[in-house]
Order: sequence, then C-alpha cells, then structure tokens
Amino acid sequence: GNSVTQMEGPVTLSEEAFLTINCTYTATGYPSLFWYVQYPGEGLQLLLKATKADDKGSNKGFEATYRKETTSFHLEKGSVQVSDSAVYFCALSERGTGRRALTFGSGTRLQVQP
Amino acid sequence: DAGVTQSPTHLIKTRGQQVTLRCSPKSGHDTVSWYQQALGQGPQFIFQYYEEEERQRGNFPDRFSGHQFPNYSSELNVNALLLGDSALYLCASNLAASPSTDTQYFGPGTRLTVL
Repeated sequence: GNSVTQMEGPVTLSEEAFLTINCTYTATGYPSLFWYVQYPGEGLQLLLKATKADDKGSNKGFEATYRKETTSFHLEKGSVQVSDSAVYFCALSERGTGRRALTFGSGTRLQVQP
Repeated sequence: DAGVTQSPTHLIKTRGQQVTLRCSPKSGHDTVSWYQQALGQGPQFIFQYYEEEERQRGNFPDRFSGHQFPNYSSELNVNALLLGDSALYLCASNLAASPSTDTQYFGPGTRLTVL
C-alpha cells in the first residue's frame, strides 16, 4: 500500500533561518506528490505539488523536488518568517487509476521565533 | 470564486448518537472526498463520491456512510458514535475531468466532539 513518512516535529527555527522538512514515500504506482499547510484552527491549504520525477513545485518561497530514485519530496525554504508557523503535511495520490485518495504523513509542526 | 464550505463548524454529540456533516464543493468541482483528522495526526481518507456514487473507500467501518446530491454537495453520516470518532472532519473537492484531477481543495472542517 501507499505510505508517507515525515520527520517528527516540532521544528523550531529563528526568523530568516533555512528550513528543511524531510518526506519520503512508498507507493505502488507513480504518484503525484503534495505539500499541504494547516494553520491553527483551519483546514488544509495546498502549498505546492509535483506530478513527475524531477519536477520542482514552488510557492511562497517554498520548494520541493520530486526525487523518484530516493522516493523523496523534501520541503525547503531559504528564509522562514514567523507567519510560516504551522503544521506541514506531505501527501501523495495515485495517478491514472481513477483513485484520487490522498495519503498523508503525520505532519510536522514548524515554530518560527522572532 | 466560492471555496469548499462545510457545516456545522463545531458539533458535540454523545456516544451512540448519529451525526450528519455537510459539504459544498468548490465552484465547478464535481468530486467530493471526506477525511478524518484526529488530534495531532494527518488526515485519513474515508471515502470519495463522484456522479452520486461512492468511488473509493478507506479503512473505515460501515458506521460511516455518505451521499452526494445532483448539485455535487455531499453529506457524511456517522452512526452509533464512539468516543474515538472525535476528530476534525475535512471535506475536499476536485474536478474529475481536469488535467489536475489529483489536486484536492479542502474546506475548513467540522470539529466533532463525542462525549
């Protein structure tokens, strides 16, 4: 079956520090990969996505590259802000099968201190 | 452009009761999925509806059932509530025929507390 493994949090950084949140996956097919962000008390917002190997998804300064050889999709940001404090979820979905269920990791809480 | 909406925002029930949660998909979307998010965990897929039929189901008991209406809105029903059903229930939508069919957009969720 499909699974997603994320680094455990919380990750605590100072403002303007470099961020990496590791994500690896196991999939029976060739999945699409996503990062979602959840701010306190809210639902999930799509942050970025990639649909094929070596694709780089990017949004709001965040980036992640689809690495098929290492089955990874690590999230990075060069300079975090206090407003980036949230929980980040890595997820995958199967493609081409008609099944669109998302499989999520357990989430990584990011705390950015001023 | 209206996003995914869910109602109610919060709900408190007692064990053994039944609950119905509602979702309206993002404008233009025709597929609705439901997820359960326990506190401190990632969302778990419950089921997905398209063309008023359940198309895919996760590892949830039959106490969890759903429905999709002709206007694409959806309901999630949970019978015989257990304490462990306390969670944030998230609805997500997408357009099946779009090139980006695998991108799901989430609503704010319904917080269910079972006492």
